[in-house]
Amino acid sequence: QKEVEQDPGPLSVPEGAIVSLNCTYSNSAFQYFMWYRQYSRKGPELLMYTYSSGNKEDGRFTAQVDKSSKYISLFIRDSQPSDSATYLCAMSAVYGNEKLTFGTGTRLTIIP
Amino acid sequence: DGGITQSPKYLFRKEGQNVTLSCEQNLNHDAMYWYRQDPGQGLRLIYYSQIVNDFQKGDIAEGYSVSREKKESFPLTVTSAQKNPTAFYLCASSRGGQTSTDTQYFGPGTRLTVL
Repeated sequence: QKEVEQDPGPLSVPEGAIVSLNCTYSNSAFQYFMWYRQYSRKGPELLMYTYSSGNKEDGRFTAQVDKSSKYISLFIRDSQPSDSATYLCAMSAVYGNEKLTFGTGTRLTIIP
Repeated sequence: DGGITQSPKYLFRKEGQNVTLSCEQNLNHDAMYWYRQDPGQGLRLIYYSQIVNDFQKGDIAEGYSVSREKKESFPLTVTSAQKNPTAFYLCASSRGGQTSTDTQYFGPGTRLTVL
């Protein structure tokens, strides 16, 4: 069993819909949780960073962490075609996160 | 313009040849990382360096080597010992040290194809 599980998709939704992306993990030591967005043939870019449990909102994006369930989510409101990309969750147990563990990524397409 | 650069963008190599991928950052970050990305497997850590002249193996270091002679540079050599080198290689950097807000920033990647 992988330490981090992420549904690879592909996931297709109509423009304007709310998108929910999720990861589950098995290592209870993880405390730092990140979401990266990766466009085709590009490097990942950091979208959201959260510590421990709770919610964090940034514009149309909301990250949720439920440590009791070992489950994290990224919600995208009012989805746009420019949101079409692969979304990677990542997490680490310690400061400095030199040992990031990544999910496999979910490929998302927003249909105009 | 601060950031991470990787070169070349595309690289072709014949079997049995060593090849070096370049990674440079001007973010004044102490820590640098090399990842490999394969379809369906996410990113896997090859090597990382938290300070100049020091580096550690990641999860899949076999067949790779690195050096960290300068703070801004962290080249990766893919040797002929790497059995399946065709992949997308990503370099990243972070401020490093004991900081709770440290995050990794990625370069644009190098796609290596072995012919």
